[in-house]
Parts: sequence; C-alpha cells; structure tokens
Amino acid sequence: EAQVTQNPRYLITVTGKKLTVTCSQNMNHEYMSWYRQDPGLGLRQIYYSMNVEVTDKGDVPEGYKVSRKEKRNFPLILESPSPNQTSLYFCASSQPIGTGITRELFFGEGSRLTVL
Amino acid sequence: AQKITQTQPGMFVQEKEAVTLDCTYDTSDPSYGLFWYKQPSSGEMIFLIYQGSYDQQNATEGRYSLNFQKARKSANLVISASQLGDSAMYFCAMRENWGYSTLTFGKGTMLLVSP
Repeated sequence: EAQVTQNPRYLITVTGKKLTVTCSQNMNHEYMSWYRQDPGLGLRQIYYSMNVEVTDKGDVPEGYKVSRKEKRNFPLILESPSPNQTSLYFCASSQPIGTGITRELFFGEGSRLTVL
Repeated sequence: AQKITQTQPGMFVQEKEAVTLDCTYDTSDPSYGLFWYKQPSSGEMIFLIYQGSYDQQNATEGRYSLNFQKARKSANLVISASQLGDSAMYFCAMRENWGYSTLTFGKGTMLLVSP
C-alpha cells in the first residue's frame, strides 16, 4: 500500500530535549516536505526536499533541521524544542507535476507534538 | 503577499444542498496547479481535486467540482448534495513551476453540514 509513515504520532516532551520525527514514503517520490499546522494559520511549510541531498527552507524553518540521505526518508529534527513548536506536524511526498504521473501531495497521518 | 486566500473562515450548509468554498490565488507563473484538500476532525489530509493551469475544462471528481476562473485567479470548490460526512476543514493549495516548487496552502474554511 502506498503510504507516508510518520512516527511518533503523539509526543509530549520538555523544553530543550532533542527529538526527531521520522518520515518514510514507499512511493519512490522525489519531493518530500514538512508542514506544521496551527489553528487559524493553515499549513505552513517548514522544509522541503526536491531529491536526495537537496533540501531547502520553507516559510517557518527556524528551530528545525532536516536531512535527506536517502530517497524514502526525510526526518525532522528539533534540536532544542520550545513551547512555540507545539503543533501538528505533517510530512508529505509527491512527484513533481511535470512528471505527469502523480500530482497531489500524499500526506502522513500527522504527528501531534506538545512541548512543555 | 498571500499566495492563496480563503476568505470564508466558516460555512454552514444543510444536508443535500450545494455549497461553494472560495479560493483566490496569486501567481505570475503560467504553469501551476491548484488543489483542494479535506481535513476531517480525525486530522488526516485527504486529496479531493486538482486543476492544472492549462486544463481546458473544469475538474470534477464525483460530487466535487472546481470552478476555475483563470482571469479572475479563482479556484472555488463546489460540493453538490452535501452530506453530514462533508463536515471538515477544507484547504485550497497551489503549486507553481510545473511542480518544481512547494505546495502553498490557504488558511482553510471550516464547513459544517447540518441535518
């Protein structure tokens, strides 16, 4: 089954304790991305990756790191989490529109993070 | 400037009626795609419909259709015959440059369908 898998789905942590949210897709997609969703703000992009070893900042990258060492995985790293990073996080993947194969973004189920 | 604008924070509709959710966008790129996603209370993002900037006809997927007015830069989602299960948050999104760019979302419209 084609899917994007995020872990953990739920996490409560404390300020300053490094954490990683994993994301893996099994569709051989080149493009992967992380979003955070906050009430009234919609989904805002944190980082994205057009392919292996190619990453770029989105709209709200501060406080986050990513890596893309292999095509299927795109982990999101919070080196020193703070309460303002409490949010619902989504990982997503797709082929670019130009390939004509698949156009929509496939989303993971979301990871709800609370930083105390 | 916002690339995607959804001006309706919330909408109410009665079951079996049609409803239109508004979306306007801003781009100077001739090659872009427009998307609608549904997010029910359970939180997952569900892809509904896609419209390419060069598509000649408005996209349709079952009860969903996209009213694409290119000159006005609008891409409204029309849901016909609303069902209780349509109650959810709806997001409009855009991707430019033949997809070699990020997907930018609007802030969403909450739709409530009443019996």
